[in-house]
Amino acid sequence: GNSVTQMEGPVTLSEEAFLTINCTYTATGYPSLFWYVQYPGEGLQLLLKATKADDKGSNKGFEATYRKETTSFHLEKGSVQVSDSAVYFCALPGGSYIPTFGRGTSLIVHP
Amino acid sequence: DGGITQSPKYLFRKEGQNVTLSCEQNLNHDAMYWYRQDPGQGLRLIYYSQIVNDFQKGDIAEGYSVSREKKESFPLTVTSAQKNPTAFYLCASSSRRQGGGEKLFFGSGTQLSVL
Repeated sequence: GNSVTQMEGPVTLSEEAFLTINCTYTATGYPSLFWYVQYPGEGLQLLLKATKADDKGSNKGFEATYRKETTSFHLEKGSVQVSDSAVYFCALPGGSYIPTFGRGTSLIVHP
Repeated sequence: DGGITQSPKYLFRKEGQNVTLSCEQNLNHDAMYWYRQDPGQGLRLIYYSQIVNDFQKGDIAEGYSVSREKKESFPLTVTSAQKNPTAFYLCASSSRRQGGGEKLFFGSGTQLSVL
């Protein structure tokens, strides 16, 4: 079935550094791909999505491009802030179209 | 404002006790989900419901039960059969039963701990 694999964390960066969080997927066809973010003590919220190959999703300075050649959907941001510290989840529809999540990658940004 | 409300925020369970976590949504969504979150393990699906009066087991349903008597409500009961219930529980909903392109809306979670 469909699945995603995320890089292990935590990822620790200084403020204004460049961020990449890797996500690769295994899927039948070309399902929509998602990045969700979870701030401490809260539920998840959608950060961005891409619905077809070569699409780029973007929001709040974060970007991810749906690459079918490399089956990847890596999350990037050019300059992180302390407020970006959170856990980031890659996701896609699994069996019966139920959303399936990666293990999450914790990001810690120091001033 | 529309959204999903989970309660309580924190819950403590005694040995042998059943406890119920509440999840209510006013988004008029058909589909609702319960996930369990443990540190380093991501989200694991417990149960889901795509229509009123119907629900399906997810990957880790043992020791849990649900009901879906109303469209807006999807309570989760953690029974005494669940031997390791300490976790963060997340409820979510989406607008369509199938399709896969819809985003999930999440509640703010319930942290369940064993006394």
